[in-house]
Amino acid sequence: GAVVSQHPSRVICKSGTSVKIECRSLDFQATTMFWYRQFPKKSLMLMATSNEGSKATYEQGVEKDKFLINHASLTLSTLTVTSAHPEDSSFYICSARDNTGQSGLVIYNEQFFGPGTRLTVL
Amino acid sequence: SQQGEEDPQALSIQEGENATMNCSYKTSINNLQWYRQNSGRGLVHLILIRSNEREKHSGRLRVTLDTSKKSSSLLITASRAADTASYFCATVDNYGQNFVFGPGTRLSVLP
Repeated sequence: GAVVSQHPSRVICKSGTSVKIECRSLDFQATTMFWYRQFPKKSLMLMATSNEGSKATYEQGVEKDKFLINHASLTLSTLTVTSAHPEDSSFYICSARDNTGQSGLVIYNEQFFGPGTRLTVL
Repeated sequence: SQQGEEDPQALSIQEGENATMNCSYKTSINNLQWYRQNSGRGLVHLILIRSNEREKHSGRLRVTLDTSKKSSSLLITASRAADTASYFCATVDNYGQNFVFGPGTRLSVLP
């Protein structure tokens, strides 16, 4: 099956710093990538949807200036948490989908999830 | 049962017993998917059921879908301690655009 990786898997930073999280599709071209946030013992909440080469679409309540998303290539999307604060500490998960059908993975609109990144802001 | 805006459920059972987790949703869907998440880890896709299907099996997993009630259930038979995890349902709408997760069920299988 399709593989999505995330880097780093875990990051600890000081308040006020910016943190970049990478999401890569390893064996298919991800025309659409999604970023989710998960608080402890809670479900995943969609933050934003990004299509390669265009601006991300943010969900209501998500600050686009704080959570910068760049989907510059068909295999890489980045989420940058700017001026991080302790309340930004969370588990961030990306997913990727191939909308073109070229990889044969678009059937059923399946998303492939990365392993997640644990962000802790001190 | 899971719903989009409720707190996650918790379920504890003994090894060997069957575990049933429920999920409800509010809108029309194209398909519904079940995922598993071990503590602090990523998601593992378990099974997908389309809106025109009523039941699906995969190994020890059985999924049902009742579109008239907008609900689904995941049954794990003969549970094992290794099945301990959180289980989430996720629905995909008819446009294939919205992917909404339920609050999840934390399953603990006691040896």
